[in-house]
Amino acid sequence: ILNVEQSPQSLHVQEGDSTNFTCSFPSSNFYALHWYRWETAKSPEALFVMTLNGDEKKKGRISATLNTKEGYSYLYIKGSQPEDSATYLCAFRSVGNNNDMRFGAGTRLTVKP
Amino acid sequence: NAGVTQTPKFQVLKTGQSMTLQCAQDMNHEYMSWYRQDPGMGLRLIHYSVGAGITDQGEVPNGYNVSRSTTEDFPLRLLSAAPSQTSVYFCASSYSGVGYTEAFFGQGTRLTVV
Repeated sequence: ILNVEQSPQSLHVQEGDSTNFTCSFPSSNFYALHWYRWETAKSPEALFVMTLNGDEKKKGRISATLNTKEGYSYLYIKGSQPEDSATYLCAFRSVGNNNDMRFGAGTRLTVKP
Repeated sequence: NAGVTQTPKFQVLKTGQSMTLQCAQDMNHEYMSWYRQDPGMGLRLIHYSVGAGITDQGEVPNGYNVSRSTTEDFPLRLLSAAPSQTSVYFCASSYSGVGYTEAFFGQGTRLTVV
């Protein structure tokens, strides 16, 4: 069973706060980890594709780190803005797992002005 | 750019009816997939295809059929709709096998089976 766990389930922050979420996945047979941003009534959009232990990726105020040995990835948002309000999904694929990306249930972020 | 287009956006079916959810992409992606999204759960893979003429089952394939006659299109067929198939369905495509390249998602089809 390839469980992908995301925490917290939901998060409310004030505009300007920095925040971070966690994605936990099985640490054996790692292949790739994705982060997606999903706004209500829209389709999920890719933020990062991470494939190597120690990877750090950044896009504007959003960054992510990857630790494949211990099975976790962090997503950081610096200086949250109301437009950052969305559900953030992570997805994991293990080696030889028949093209099956396993998604976490997501972290729902609400940024209050 | 159209990207991934799903139709319809909303659908209500009666138990036992069949229907086809359409998915088309214009990015010449080889890999396409169907997911369902249920409250409190992550996206779950129903079926996927690594190229025209090739399909395979994902995590939750029962009650669904797919075909891939062209690179562009990947329809999902519900054979005999059941209330348990009430869900939001997403089609996705990526340049190569899932993992090293990002997935592009359609806008979803919200299906209710009564």
